[in-house]
Amino acid sequence: GAGVSQSPRYKVAKRGQDVALRCDPISGHVSLFWYQQALGQGPEFLTYFQNEAQLDKSGLPSDRFFAERPEGSVSTLKIQRTQQEDSAVYLCASSSGQPNTEAFFGQGTRLTVV
Amino acid sequence: GNSVTQMEGPVTLSEEAFLTINCTYTATGYPSLFWYVQYPGEGLQLLLKATKADDKGSNKGFEATYRKETTSFHLEKGSVQVSDSAVYFCALTRPNSGGSNYKLTFGKGTLLTVNP
Repeated sequence: GAGVSQSPRYKVAKRGQDVALRCDPISGHVSLFWYQQALGQGPEFLTYFQNEAQLDKSGLPSDRFFAERPEGSVSTLKIQRTQQEDSAVYLCASSSGQPNTEAFFGQGTRLTVV
Repeated sequence: GNSVTQMEGPVTLSEEAFLTINCTYTATGYPSLFWYVQYPGEGLQLLLKATKADDKGSNKGFEATYRKETTSFHLEKGSVQVSDSAVYFCALTRPNSGGSNYKLTFGKGTLLTVNP
């Protein structure tokens, strides 16, 4: 597609519910990133994929967070047993992986845990 | 570790006023520096970037110069427009050993409102 697409745009989950957030990167982009943006804050890194390999998951806040990119294209961020502190906008970005090239961001998924 | 500190705002200006949003960073080595903009209801967009010391990034009338001696990358525009109203994020990235773009470290963002 023309840009990075994320779905759903909005998600309301009851505390304890599992959620899955989807990211469709720009076709052919090798690198894929997930970020978490709390209200009034800058995005914070969660995890990074190069093709299907998850090379860095140091930003995942707990073992309730899990991300995958099994075929090196679409990625899913899963949050198990959601908590109120998980409420945030989850951003996906992709890039070609070439040095100093731009990362393109999706519009994000706004997750509200009630 | 890497960090970015930017003027938090909010900043409110009249149209045609001069804009400066300060940004300083802490990083080892030679990071690449970016300004991203988030317009209301839209995703983050790259505004400009600089990849080495003394480089000047520019786009849409905005400019920022990579100052290694002061570890700064301040955003400036000589004459703002109402359409520039948005949240601006300063960010840096360190390339991995292969030189590919890697994770971005963002500042907290600065909300700019330009009134007619």
